[in-house]
Amino acid sequence: GENVEQHPSTLSVQEGDSAVIKCTYSDSASNYFPWYKQELGKGPQLIIDIRSNVGEKKDQRIAVTLNKTAKHFSLHITETQPEDSAVYFCAASNPLEQFYFGTGTSLTVIP
Amino acid sequence: DAGVTQSPTHLIKTRGQQVTLRCSPKSGHDTVSWYQQALGQGPQFIFQYYEEEERQRGNFPDRFSGHQFPNYSSELNVNALLLGDSALYLCASSLRGQAFFGQGTRLTVV
Repeated sequence: GENVEQHPSTLSVQEGDSAVIKCTYSDSASNYFPWYKQELGKGPQLIIDIRSNVGEKKDQRIAVTLNKTAKHFSLHITETQPEDSAVYFCAASNPLEQFYFGTGTSLTVIP
Repeated sequence: DAGVTQSPTHLIKTRGQQVTLRCSPKSGHDTVSWYQQALGQGPQFIFQYYEEEERQRGNFPDRFSGHQFPNYSSELNVNALLLGDSALYLCASSLRGQAFFGQGTRLTVV
């Protein structure tokens, strides 16, 4: 089955700096790569996603890149704010919409 | 438009008991998946329902079973609860690949 690895497990940045989280996947059949933000006591919230036919996608301060050949994808958050502090999960999905998640990155933005 | 809703939000059960968790999908979504999230871990896929049938199943024992109703809502049942079943149980509904999660049910087995 699919194996998704995520790094780093914790990340601290100063407010206004950028944050980058990286994931790798193993199954070449995976074709959809969402990123979720999870705040304490809440369910994961979809923040951005990318499909395998696209190399990069941007939504305001958030961007995701995908390298299908190397089987890795990354989340970039620019101009970080304290409210960006949360746990972020990457995921890889196969055509049957079965999602495999990374182990999460706890992001702390220091004011 | 209500998102994915789950009930109850919290539950405490005794080892050996049975539990039923409920999920209403996002409007228009026909696929419901259930995930178990242990503390400090990513969600783990339990199973997926589509058109009232279990379409896929993760690596979970038969003690975990489910159901999907004609209105696409779903239930997760866990029998013979173990202490290790304590976790956040998440329901996700999806349409054309995009999955949206509910806030989860926190199950504590004592």
